[in-house]
Amino acid sequence: QQQVKQSPQSLIVQKGGISIINCAYENTAFDYFPWYQQFPGKGPALLIAIRPDVSEKKEGRFTISFNKSAKQFSLHIMDSQPGDSATYFCAASGSGGYQKVTFGTGTKLQVIP
Amino acid sequence: DTEVTQTPKHLVMGMTNKKSLKCEQHMGHRAMYWYKQKAKKPPELMFVYSYEKLSINESVPSRFSPECPNSSLLNLHLHALQPEDSALYLCASSQVGSLQETQYFGPGTRLLVL
Repeated sequence: QQQVKQSPQSLIVQKGGISIINCAYENTAFDYFPWYQQFPGKGPALLIAIRPDVSEKKEGRFTISFNKSAKQFSLHIMDSQPGDSATYFCAASGSGGYQKVTFGTGTKLQVIP
Repeated sequence: DTEVTQTPKHLVMGMTNKKSLKCEQHMGHRAMYWYKQKAKKPPELMFVYSYEKLSINESVPSRFSPECPNSSLLNLHLHALQPEDSALYLCASSQVGSLQETQYFGPGTRLLVL
């Protein structure tokens, strides 16, 4: 029940295309859903995050869509660029206090020119 | 400023060595975390400190010993490690409180155990 399932495992997108990564969770106690971007040899960096009281959040080219009833959320990267090539992790946690974050398995995105 | 710093960046140690990893943040966060990350895997939680007290130990072997000397510093003492402990060790920090869950990660220490 603590799992966050992430797909696809890898993704190749042409420059300018849309990259879509999907995640699903089971634990209804989760109420904070961040996405992290990680470049090789670096630590994960927060990209964008959403709470279940909204269905969509957009920051620049990055959008999270959230479907509370289906317990699914996804990351859309519009106008994908080669610099977006990285591994993306969805995650989920409760709120308040310190939190134990449950990470998805990761998606390696490659944006080709 | 959302910076978490970690030293050293790289560490090579033998199985009989004792070494320490260091983490520092100046964001006023009162929760600090150690994660272990193997290649092509997500970060795996090891320890959580909240207000300088150990709050979570995810059944980590005793050859890893965490320490939180003050609210800005977090150490991970390593002793008698095994080759399978080779990984990227990440430190993170966050606020403690409602709607303040975001964890900010450092760049990590790449550890190789020979």
